[in-house]
Amino acid sequence: DTAVSQTPKYLVTQMGNDKSIKCEQNLGHDTMYWYKQDSKKFLKIMFSYNNKELIINETVPNRFSPKSPDKAHLNLHINSLELGDSAVYFCASSQDPTGAFYEQYFGPGTRLTVT
Amino acid sequence: AQTVTQSQPEMSVQEAETVTLSCTYDTSESDYYLFWYKQPPSRQMILVIRQEAYKQQNATENRFSVNFQKAAKSFSLKISDSQLGDAAMYFCAYRSAARDDKIIFGKGTRLHILP
Repeated sequence: DTAVSQTPKYLVTQMGNDKSIKCEQNLGHDTMYWYKQDSKKFLKIMFSYNNKELIINETVPNRFSPKSPDKAHLNLHINSLELGDSAVYFCASSQDPTGAFYEQYFGPGTRLTVT
Repeated sequence: AQTVTQSQPEMSVQEAETVTLSCTYDTSESDYYLFWYKQPPSRQMILVIRQEAYKQQNATENRFSVNFQKAAKSFSLKISDSQLGDAAMYFCAYRSAARDDKIIFGKGTRLHILP
């Protein structure tokens, strides 16, 4: 059984379009994350949600909007896509990190290509 | 702000040999966690090994071990008996023990295994 799943795995779209990436985890974790991995493989956090509440919001354009309908899902919606948005986007989840030694479980990634 | 530095963008090792990947970090905190993640060509992020900063004993997972030097803020990964399946990008990561803090990744080291 897949622990953290993302759809789609590949997404090719044109500049200016709006697209969404979905993420689901079946681990019962309380916290979910979105990371962006650029062409140089640098992995940087974008957002973190704990029990549907936004916890971390790094400096990303407001064209990016995460949505958490429940604690098992964290979707990423991107408006007005730009060439620089091309990257691999990873979803991850973890247990509630309050003082606990935890690890993050990553999804398979979504390769977004903006043309 | 915390930073994680991996000074070796690429490394190569002969199959069955031992290789050490370097990682240094900068923090003013005393309580934190350190991780090594592996990203094979499949793009999946896989946790390899983790270390709690308050533990002096170096973590070990089968052929993978770390050399954790807290005073020097160094956290290197040693892979013994290298196998072809070890070929991947390896990311060093830091996380504060504070609640809701994010994981900070280094830029990665690409490891090649030579048959």
